[in-house]
Amino acid sequence: SAVISQKPSRDICQRGTSLTIQCQVDSQVTMMFWYRQQPGQSLTLIATANQGSEATYESGFVIDKFPISRPNLTFSTLTVSNMSPEDSSIYLCSVDRAGTEAFFGQGTRLTVV
Amino acid sequence: AQRVTQPEKLLSVFKGAPVELKCNYSYSGSPELFWYVQYSRQRLQLLLRHISRESIKGFTADLNKGETSFHLKKPFAQEEDSAMYYCALKISNFGNEKLTFGTGTRLTIIP
Repeated sequence: SAVISQKPSRDICQRGTSLTIQCQVDSQVTMMFWYRQQPGQSLTLIATANQGSEATYESGFVIDKFPISRPNLTFSTLTVSNMSPEDSSIYLCSVDRAGTEAFFGQGTRLTVV
Repeated sequence: AQRVTQPEKLLSVFKGAPVELKCNYSYSGSPELFWYVQYSRQRLQLLLRHISRESIKGFTADLNKGETSFHLKKPFAQEEDSAMYYCALKISNFGNEKLTFGTGTRLTIIP
């Protein structure tokens, strides 16, 4: 299994500001994934973060809006930049160990006012 | 493009009654399918995967390639089964793997 610590667990932010979400895994993993879950909707993959290379973003998501860092094999951050109310969502960090099972953090519930 | 469809957003079932949560997928490659569950105030976790062909907490799911379905079933519902259930499809593209999730079904077991 994998234990993922994600913080903050929730935050309320002013529009126009940025929030950085941290994700710490208890063991080394090659790929880390960032998802968004908007109210009443499913999980949508934002990007895949590999250590030592640029993150790979899914269609509809760009680096300027969601910059990602991956400084080592156990840690990653996702920043939500220049926030608007439409960014209010739950953001989830995930890892997939051995390609057999995905493990998720508790999520960060973001409200933009 | 790949897609996972869960037609029911909400499903209520009486305790002891059979449960079936529907999942259909579209994918041109060889599918690898999963069911994930999120209980109240807990994180999302794996319930079962089609490759394992196992029964977890009384749940089973059979991959039907002809009908492109992966429905989740349990013969006798229990109150602790109340949760949010997501069907997910793993796709591989040039060595990169990622999950595509359905919109989820909230299952409520009525005592």
